[in-house]
Amino acid sequence: DADVTQTPRNRITKTGKRIMLECSQTKGHDRMYWYRQDPGLGLRLIYYSFDVKDINKGEISDGYSVSRQAQAKFSLSLESAIPNQTALYFCATRTGSDTGELFFGEGSRLTVL
Amino acid sequence: GQNIDQPTEMTATEGAIVQINCTYQTSGFNGLFWYQQHAGEAPTFLSYNVLDGLEEKGRFSSFLSRSKGYSYLLLKELQMKDSASYLCAAMDSNYQLIWGAGTKLIIKP
Repeated sequence: DADVTQTPRNRITKTGKRIMLECSQTKGHDRMYWYRQDPGLGLRLIYYSFDVKDINKGEISDGYSVSRQAQAKFSLSLESAIPNQTALYFCATRTGSDTGELFFGEGSRLTVL
Repeated sequence: GQNIDQPTEMTATEGAIVQINCTYQTSGFNGLFWYQQHAGEAPTFLSYNVLDGLEEKGRFSSFLSRSKGYSYLLLKELQMKDSASYLCAAMDSNYQLIWGAGTKLIIKP
């Protein structure tokens, strides 16, 4: 089983719907991240969390919210999905080191019609 | 502003050597990462450089010049499985990663 698991892996939804992407990890890492990846662009950080009580906005947090339910779980919500949120979303974890490598989940492909 | 530049696509031949360049401009600098991403899969870590010089790890090597804001990833003895996108990411003074768009490497027999 993967150390960082994302569900769902693929989702098609309609404009205005609420969507939740879930991430769970078995690596025991405190730091968790949500990124989105679009063709021709670098990964962009949406939100990150250093522990259950520490949640921070990334560079593109508008239209998104997150919940850190436990050390191992970090979910991303789109309250009212819009077509330009169509993208590949990655959850990632990192050890307590600021310069440690990121461990990514398999990705969640979201299409908003 | 902060920026990462890397070529969009490169083609190389199986068994050959290829160098993928990356230039960066960041507010402060805490190191540079390279990740590999096969199509439809998650990025996986390849290397981290924070000091000038070359670091070798098997067939892959990564070089950094902080004064020039420049890094490269060198892949030797190319194999078909090396066909992937290679992502360069620089870490700024706040330990935030700035990502390049990736270089798609195509390996031909």
